[in-house]
Amino acid sequence: GENVEQHPSTLSVQEGDSAVIKCTYSDSASNYFPWYKQELGKRPQLIIDIRSNVGEKKDQRIAVTLNKTAKHFSLHITETQPEDSAVYFCAASPPFRGGADGLTFGKGTHLIIQP
Amino acid sequence: GAGVSQSPSNKVTEKGKDVELRCDPISGHTALYWYRQRLGQGLEFLIYFQGNSAPDKSGLPSDRFSAERTGESVSTLTIQRTQQEDSAVYLCASSLGTRTGELFFGEGSRLTVL
Repeated sequence: GENVEQHPSTLSVQEGDSAVIKCTYSDSASNYFPWYKQELGKRPQLIIDIRSNVGEKKDQRIAVTLNKTAKHFSLHITETQPEDSAVYFCAASPPFRGGADGLTFGKGTHLIIQP
Repeated sequence: GAGVSQSPSNKVTEKGKDVELRCDPISGHTALYWYRQRLGQGLEFLIYFQGNSAPDKSGLPSDRFSAERTGESVSTLTIQRTQQEDSAVYLCASSLGTRTGELFFGEGSRLTVL
């Protein structure tokens, strides 16, 4: 099955600086890569996703890049703010192969925004 | 409400007891996932239901864990003979089932095994 590695496990940045979280995946056929944000004590929520036919996607201060050759994708947050403090999870989804293959998550990155 | 509903929100049980956790997905969502999240840890995949396909049970950690789903409705996760290492938040999520669609998570069921 798919294996997703996520780095770093903890990231501390000064407010206003940029943050980058990186993930690698093992299944070259995976074609969907979402990112979820989980604030303390709350449920994970989708913040951005990218499909394998696109190399980059932006949504205001958040962007995701995908390198299919290297099998890695990254989340970029610019002009970080205190409300960006949370745990961020990347995930990868392989194509349908006749079973009920599910989404595989990375272990998460705890992003801390220092005032 | 229109979101994913889980019950109970909190469950404290004694080691060796059986527990059942329930998930009500969003109406019309064919895909349903169960994840386990230990304190400060990531999302550990347990099981995935998609329509009438055979469920993907590859994440269930032992034969003490089982889950059922009737059609595209409620799912129940059962843990038999609970152990202290089963203590975690159990998160349910549903999606439209396109396999590239957004997962909508419930608030989770926090299980504490004494």
